[in-house]
Amino acid sequence: EAAVTQSPRNKVAVTGGKVTLSCNQTNNHNNMYWYRQDTGHGLRLIHYSYGAGSTEKGDIPDGYKASRPSQENFSLILELATPSQTSVYFCASGHWGDQNTLYFGAGTRLSVL
Amino acid sequence: GEQVEQLPSILRVQEGSSASINCTYENSASNYFPWYKQEPGENPKLIIDIRSNMERKQTQGLIVLLDKKAKRFSLHITDTQPGDSAMYFCAAGGTGGYKVVFGSGTRLLVSP
Repeated sequence: EAAVTQSPRNKVAVTGGKVTLSCNQTNNHNNMYWYRQDTGHGLRLIHYSYGAGSTEKGDIPDGYKASRPSQENFSLILELATPSQTSVYFCASGHWGDQNTLYFGAGTRLSVL
Repeated sequence: GEQVEQLPSILRVQEGSSASINCTYENSASNYFPWYKQEPGENPKLIIDIRSNMERKQTQGLIVLLDKKAKRFSLHITDTQPGDSAMYFCAAGGTGGYKVVFGSGTRLLVSP
């Protein structure tokens, strides 16, 4: 099965601080995604990428930046964290073709105090 | 629009009965519709998917129906078991597959 590794698994940040969530995939997938999961909202797309060097805005990009320096790595950056960004963040990777499965990482639980 | 609406948000059924979850989508360009299951504390995992060139797909007690005209698709779980209790998400992927938008999820509770 595809391996998607997120770090850290848990993070407590202070309001106004900078937070970087990292994601690494070892399956040479073109596409990578960052979602946040909140009760009542399901999985909401923040940013995605279709290859190294590309980042695209998802449905809720405000307050977030993304970086895809290589095929394997995709980071989510909160320059000025706010309590409203307290959530569980999932990274996923996938490849558009015959198989379109998204493989999710284990998630990062972020608390902004 | 890109929204995917999913209902119900909570579904309680008795073991052995069927469970149905419904989703609607807005983007006519959507052509790929996966369903993911998420166990408590775990990440979502694909359980079944359907492409726009199909109207029905079935695998291991799961049936997915797609009505492109109505922009509606649904998951039907037959003979539910307590192990089917989980969060279920529908999703829609557009042309090129880059953007995958999820519904808000359905918590399925199967009681013995």
